[in-house]
Formats: sequence, structure tokens, C-alpha cells
Amino acid sequence: EVHLVESGGGSVQRGGSLSLSCAASGFPFSNFWMTWVRQAPGRGLEWVANINQDGSGKYYADSMKGRFTISRDNAKNSVYLHMSSLRAEDTAVYYCARIGYKSCGLDYWGQGTLVTVSS
Amino acid sequence: QSVLTQPPSVSAAPGQKVTISCSGSSSNIGNNDVSWYQQLPGTAPKLLIYESSERPSGIPDRFSGSKSGTSATLGITGLQTGDEADYYCGTWDSSLTTVLFGGGTKLTVL
Repeated sequence: EVHLVESGGGSVQRGGSLSLSCAASGFPFSNFWMTWVRQAPGRGLEWVANINQDGSGKYYADSMKGRFTISRDNAKNSVYLHMSSLRAEDTAVYYCARIGYKSCGLDYWGQGTLVTVSS
Repeated sequence: QSVLTQPPSVSAAPGQKVTISCSGSSSNIGNNDVSWYQQLPGTAPKLLIYESSERPSGIPDRFSGSKSGTSATLGITGLQTGDEADYYCGTWDSSLTTVLFGGGTKLTVL
């Protein structure tokens, strides 16, 4: 059974940094693109970043470029999101998900981890 | 404001049918597949439809998807109170090289 478990969320001050982790199990992790998606309180889904199977290809949403870095360790079946220069508007639940289908169809999602940026 | 446009809300009575639209452009829906997600209150999103019209195993055939041109539609028949949720469309935009989500549609089963 596929499982994705995020960790690392918490409270951080504006301008600070935080790293999120997502541990994957139940599937051949190195065969799949992975993604991070976030959801601010009471708002819709917002894509953050994608990473390809070996980590050589990365895509970011414009508002995250230069501040967020996605990475993966296939030996540890994990994908990461390092966030810096955090702003109040980065407050959200961050989900990792597996890209299982064409055009970024996300077939499995983690439970999410909450990041709160305070001033 | 989302690049993919969904109605903010739809409603229908139990047992009835509802459709949710998702409107985009040639660089996203027009040339890529669409996925649909259901997000029940307080939970993570769940894939309902992939590649515009395919259902993952375990998703009942009450849920269907279609695409025409630069628009996609999610259909739900035999509405149940348990279907009350937020529904999102999503796809890839080839020009922006970004993943796009619609703004979400809140379904109320009256």
C-alpha cells in the first residue's frame, strides 16, 4: 500500500527557514516524479514544485523560485522541501504527492504538514 | 485568480446529478489531460479522475470526467450527502511549465 508521510512543519518567524520531509513507502519510489502542493487556511490548492525521478529536473511555481528548493534521496525513499525567506503568505498545509499520471495527475497524497509563518 | 476557472459552488438534492466545469486555454486543458480531486473537510485531496476521463480503482462510476477543447467537466450522479466536499481540477500548463489547479468548487448536497 502506498504511503506518503510528511514531517517538519511548525512555526517559524518571517524571514526564517524550514525544511519539510516526505517519506514514501509501498511503491518503487525512484520510478516516479514527486511534487509538493500547499493550501493556505480556507484557500484552494497551490502547486509548489515538482522533481523528476533522479532529481535532475525541477520545476517551481514563480512565487517560490529562489526561495524554495525541492530535492530527493532515492536511497531513503524521501522527497524534501527546503523553504527560506519565509513570508506570512507561505502559511499553509504542505502536501507531498506522487505524480502517477500524465499531465501531473497526482494519485497519492500525504496527510499534510502545517507551516505557520509569524511576524 | 486561478488560470483554470471553476464555479465557486454548486448544489443539488440527494439522488440528483451535478456537473462542475473547469475552463482553461490551449496551453493547459487544450493540450493536456485533466485530473479531478475531491477534498472532504479536514482531509487531504483524493484523486477522482485522471487523464480527463479515467477513474482510479475504488472510485465509483457515479463519478465521470470529460474534456472538450479548452474545458473539462466532472459529473457526479446519484448524489449522496457524503459527496459534500471541495472539488478541484488540475493539469499541466505547457507554456508556463507549471501545474495548475482550479480555484475549487464547493458541492452542497441539499
